[in-house]
Amino acid sequence: DAGITQSPRHKVTETGTPVTLRCHQTENHRYMYWYRQDPGHGLRLIHYSYGVKDTDKGEVSDGYSVSRSKTEDFLLTLESATSSQTSVYFCATAPGVGYNEQFFGPGTRLTVL
Amino acid sequence: GQQLNQSPQSMFIQEGEDVSMNCTSSSIFNTWLWYKQDPGEGPVLLIALYKAGELTSNGRLTAQFGITRKDSFLNISASIPSDVGIYFCAGQALGAQKLVFGQGTRLTINP
Repeated sequence: DAGITQSPRHKVTETGTPVTLRCHQTENHRYMYWYRQDPGHGLRLIHYSYGVKDTDKGEVSDGYSVSRSKTEDFLLTLESATSSQTSVYFCATAPGVGYNEQFFGPGTRLTVL
Repeated sequence: GQQLNQSPQSMFIQEGEDVSMNCTSSSIFNTWLWYKQDPGEGPVLLIALYKAGELTSNGRLTAQFGITRKDSFLNISASIPSDVGIYFCAGQALGAQKLVFGQGTRLTINP
């Protein structure tokens, strides 16, 4: 258990509104990741971070931005939410040294109406 | 993006039966991971494999890192109701910062 929390756990919002999801970890892991999970698509990487202020895009990054101002927090922002962004969002962390298994948070269920 | 071919997509078995699932890739991986996801929760790491040919157990679960480095297998012996869920494989290439995931195997157990 990597001590990962996500907030909020559930959110309903309207199309066009900005949304920020937070991932917080207490394990001092270097890497942090944001995934979305949709039926028929499995887990898809949105963005990831390999250190404070160091981020890179994943395979489905359009419409999302991220920020990491300190080791323990990784924020995912939907600047203007769309219905296609209705999904379950998971944060994951990895130590970044030695074996690099990823550990997942509990998820955030986001519904965009 | 790249995905692993995980099979079967779903399994319906009787309690007490053994289960086998596998993942294959067109690329070589240096790490294979197996996760289980319960409804409404995040994936939980079950087993990690780091060497070709490696066989690792975690209770009733056994996973193997294929010799070719392009496949991995997960077996569950004597299934019980709490084994129900979705099992994901994931592979990581040497030096890569990202995992490649399979589409998952949904396991259903009839009591």
